[in-house]
Amino acid sequence: KAGVTQTPRYLIKTRGQQVTLSCSPISGHRSVSWYQQTPGQGLQFLFEYFSETQRNKGNFPGRFSGRQFSNSRSEMNVSTLELGDSALYLCASSLADYLSTDTQYFGPGTRLTVL
Amino acid sequence: SQQGEEDPQALSIQEGENATMNCSYKTSINNLQWYRQNSGRGLVHLILIRSNEREKHSGRLRVTLDTSKKSSSLLITASRAADTASYFCAPSSNSNSGYALNFGKGTSLLVTP
Repeated sequence: KAGVTQTPRYLIKTRGQQVTLSCSPISGHRSVSWYQQTPGQGLQFLFEYFSETQRNKGNFPGRFSGRQFSNSRSEMNVSTLELGDSALYLCASSLADYLSTDTQYFGPGTRLTVL
Repeated sequence: SQQGEEDPQALSIQEGENATMNCSYKTSINNLQWYRQNSGRGLVHLILIRSNEREKHSGRLRVTLDTSKKSSSLLITASRAADTASYFCAPSSNSNSGYALNFGKGTSLLVTP
């Protein structure tokens, strides 16, 4: 099976712009989670989607949003970019059936740089 | 979901030595997972131990769980340079409420030849 894929891998934007990141989960996985990783704050949970619904949300401002499509692919959007949004954004998918645990399989990440 | 705290923050050893890192958490859990991250890349799931298990092995990895002390340890035996990475624990009490793992700062392991 193919792993979790994220596009683009690298992105450079300027303050005030918006950005959309994409994630394709492992085939058959129904849950997709997003994380932000920065040197200062570490690895922080953004949100989780399951069956096109946001099921969990971390402590991030409303500028951060996401969605999940019927094929489980997910996108996250950051509007009005700030310098502090520069980070590695990681997507992870989970099988999420009634027998499974919450083991997550991570993509390689999208490195976002805000200038 | 709660956050794990890894200790030490950094660990430097030589190839062939064993590396031990610890994780503490605050409330009851269903399971605890360990992940590895090579520099600037995605995390890789290493091992999951359930709350009713005390010890688990996977290759050169040995994980213990002490629910009374709310702590876990990850032992890597006979370390190799390729084990150089950051290691994160993720205690989980998720059930049907969704999958949200809260990671700590991690332990940065450096294995030198």
